[in-house]
Amino acid sequence: QKEVEQDPGPLSVPEGAIVSLNCTYSNSAFQYFMWYRQYSRKGPELLMYTYSSGNKEDGRFTAQVDKSSKYISLFIRDSQPSDSATYLCAMSAKDDKIIFGKGTRLHILP
Amino acid sequence: KAGVTQTPRYLIKTRGQQVTLSCSPISGHRSVSWYQQTPGQGLQFLFEYFSETQRNKGNFPGRFSGRQFSNSRSEMNVSTLELGDSALYLCASSYLADSYNEQFFGPGTRLTVL
Repeated sequence: QKEVEQDPGPLSVPEGAIVSLNCTYSNSAFQYFMWYRQYSRKGPELLMYTYSSGNKEDGRFTAQVDKSSKYISLFIRDSQPSDSATYLCAMSAKDDKIIFGKGTRLHILP
Repeated sequence: KAGVTQTPRYLIKTRGQQVTLSCSPISGHRSVSWYQQTPGQGLQFLFEYFSETQRNKGNFPGRFSGRQFSNSRSEMNVSTLELGDSALYLCASSYLADSYNEQFFGPGTRLTVL
């Protein structure tokens, strides 16, 4: 079983819809959870960071962490064509290396 | 403030050769991490350097090595290149070590091994 699982997509949704992206993980020691966005031919950029469990909201983005289920989510409200990108989840334990999911390709259809 | 810069942006090598990639972090950042990104394996952590010392290392063979200089610039070296080393190599910098919540990525170096 891989440490981090993420559906590669592609996921296509109409503009304005709510997007839900998810990752599952197996290592219960993970306590730092991140979502990155990567546009084609660019490096990833950090979107959201959450420590331990709970929700965090930033504008149209909401990150959720459920440590009991080993499941994290990223919600995008009022999706825009500019949100079309690959979204990578990532996580790490204290003082340990970061592990990334393989990324979900998202297409927002105008 | 200038972002993370990586040189060269594109590189073509043949099997058996070696390659050196360079990364200049954001001014003031002392941590540099290196990653390999491929369609099959995704984004994988190679190693992190902080104040010229390697702090963490991913599961890569010894052909992959790196170093960091006193000005925080970092280089990554891959010896005896294999076809499977073709990938996008990304570096990221942050002010503190293990600061994955505040690391900034460069645009990457696209390495093609023929």
